Amino acid sequence: EAQVTQNPRYLITVTGKKLTVTCSQNMNHEYMSWYRQDPGLGLRQIYYSMNVEVTDKGDVPEGYKVSRKEKRNFPLILESPSPNQTSLYFCASRLRGVVSSYEQYFGPGTRLTVT
Amino acid sequence: EDQVTQSPEALRLQEGESSSLNCSYTVSGLRGLFWYRQDPGKGPEFLFTLYSAGEEKEKERLKATLTKKESFLHITAPKPEDSATYLCAVQAGNYGQNFVFGPGTRLSVLP
Repeated sequence: EAQVTQNPRYLITVTGKKLTVTCSQNMNHEYMSWYRQDPGLGLRQIYYSMNVEVTDKGDVPEGYKVSRKEKRNFPLILESPSPNQTSLYFCASRLRGVVSSYEQYFGPGTRLTVT
Repeated sequence: EDQVTQSPEALRLQEGESSSLNCSYTVSGLRGLFWYRQDPGKGPEFLFTLYSAGEEKEKERLKATLTKKESFLHITAPKPEDSATYLCAVQAGNYGQNFVFGPGTRLSVLP
């Protein structure tokens, strides 16, 4: 089954404790992206990757890091989480390119709470 | 700056009562406009892509249309299972790498 998986699904942590949210896709997609979703603000792009070893900032990259060492994996790293990073996070993937018909597939989400 | 707004914020309909959701956008170099459905606690699910003014797409009770500045999602004779949040997004950037989402419209269809 074609899918994007994220782990963990739920995470409660404390300020300053480094954490990683994993994302994996089995569709051989070049493009992967991370979003955060907050009430009233919609989905906002954090980072994206056009291919292995190629990453770039989205609209809200502050406080986050990513890496793309393998095509299927795109982990999101919070080096020193703060309460304003409490949010619902989604990973997504699609075929690379400007062809708009390429559907973007989303993972099930990770709900992060930073106290 | 690329922006997407959606209206209304929330909509309650009786089963069978048709209506439309609006998505307005400002973007430099539109590559495509997307509609997604999102159920509570789940990731967005792809519905449609539109990329040129005048284009229309249909799927069951849903029909999406696109003009140069906005898109509409028409819902004909909705059923309770159509209740969800509907998200609009635009694809932009030289390589289509950026996606800007609207805040969504929360639709409730009452039996």
